[in-house]
Amino acid sequence: DVVMTQSPLSLPVTLGQPASISCRSSQSLVYSDGNTYLNWFQQRPGQSPRRLIYRVSNRDSGVPDRFSGSGSGTDFTLKISRVEAEDVGVYYCMQGTHWPRTFGQGTKVEIK
Amino acid sequence: EVQLLESGGGLVQPGGSLRLSCAASGFTFSSYGMTWVRQAPGRGLEWVSSISDGAGSTYYADSVRGRFTISRDNSKNTLSLQMNSLRAEDTAIYYCARGTANPAYWGQGTLVTVSS
Repeated sequence: DVVMTQSPLSLPVTLGQPASISCRSSQSLVYSDGNTYLNWFQQRPGQSPRRLIYRVSNRDSGVPDRFSGSGSGTDFTLKISRVEAEDVGVYYCMQGTHWPRTFGQGTKVEIK
Repeated sequence: EVQLLESGGGLVQPGGSLRLSCAASGFTFSSYGMTWVRQAPGRGLEWVSSISDGAGSTYYADSVRGRFTISRDNSKNTLSLQMNSLRAEDTAIYYCARGTANPAYWGQGTLVTVSS
């Protein structure tokens, strides 16, 4: 199985400051069609997960542009340019290239 | 508007069975693969099972293979998860999601508790 390793697991951030979450996969996530199926999800307290980013860097509709995704192969990053109070929650990466699908452990973002 | 509404959760004894359903609306259900993901209390997300748009292909996590069966009824826009031989470690919120590689939309989840 592809292991997804996120770091850090806890991320205290000051409002208005940037934040960055790393996600590394144990195998390349490039699929035979040339696409890389790496997603980022946000789960606010008490809510269902919400997809923020798909295929590494594509932001979903309605997602603020302070969120961005980057990376390639096995190394990926989610960045928040300026953290706002509504960004508190747990962030997960997930690979959709290989079976079984796998998630990272989650990174808890909180305000200092 | 895409909507996914799970139902069927509840309290069941170890070794028992439960059938979850996910009613889909707001999109052409038969055109999308579908996925079940679960989340144990206080834990992270765990992929459980996926099914292709035409139901020709199904996939399972090792932890549920042989006990859970995913299915769909495209005429009724419904996704199902039949869960047999339930264990305490199956206790979780179960979410259905649209898509198999990039699950874009998620339901609100249904809670399954396995306990005597």
